[in-house]
Amino acid sequence: EVHLLESGGGLVQPGGSLRLSCAASGFTFSNFAMTWVRQAPGKGLEWVSSISGSGRTTHFADSVRGRFTIARDNSKNTLYLQLNSLRADDTAVYYCAHGWNAHDYWGQGTLVTVSS
Amino acid sequence: DIQMTQFPSSLSASVGDRVTITCRASQSVNNWVAWYQQKPGKAPKLLIYKASSLDSGVPSSFSGSGSGTEFTLTISSLQPDDFATYYCQQYDSYPRTFGLGTKVEIK
Repeated sequence: EVHLLESGGGLVQPGGSLRLSCAASGFTFSNFAMTWVRQAPGKGLEWVSSISGSGRTTHFADSVRGRFTIARDNSKNTLYLQLNSLRADDTAVYYCAHGWNAHDYWGQGTLVTVSS
Repeated sequence: DIQMTQFPSSLSASVGDRVTITCRASQSVNNWVAWYQQKPGKAPKLLIYKASSLDSGVPSSFSGSGSGTEFTLTISSLQPDDFATYYCQQYDSYPRTFGLGTKVEIK
């Protein structure tokens, strides 16, 4: 059974940094691209970033490019999202999701709150 | 960026009703459209991929159609468990984009 578990969210001040993790199990992690999607409180879904199975190819939303970094450790079956220069409008639940395209598996999400 | 215009933004319906939600893309996305269901406090759940393919375990009361720029999600007979918010997503190109959602409420 596929399982995705995010961690690392919390309260951070504007301009601060945070690293989110997504521990994956139940599938051959290195064979699949992974994606981060976020959802601001009371708002819709926003695609953030995707990474290929090898980690060599990445894509970012314009709203986070240059501030966020996506990475993966296939030996640990773990996906990461490094969030730097955080702003109030980065406040959201961050979900990791399986695949590049239609996402058939999602984690439960981790809440990032950017506030002073 | 491809804009996904989803409508209506909300609707009220009764159990047993047929419900249709539409997404219009600002340019052709071929058939690369997915539909998700989300309930409060939960992660989205994939219903439909490639515009009309039902994901595993999804009831056959859900169906998707369309191509190019116009896509629809239909629930043939609304059940109590179907009251939720629904999102379309295009994955033809980056950045991936979602519609703003349709909240299906009980009449």
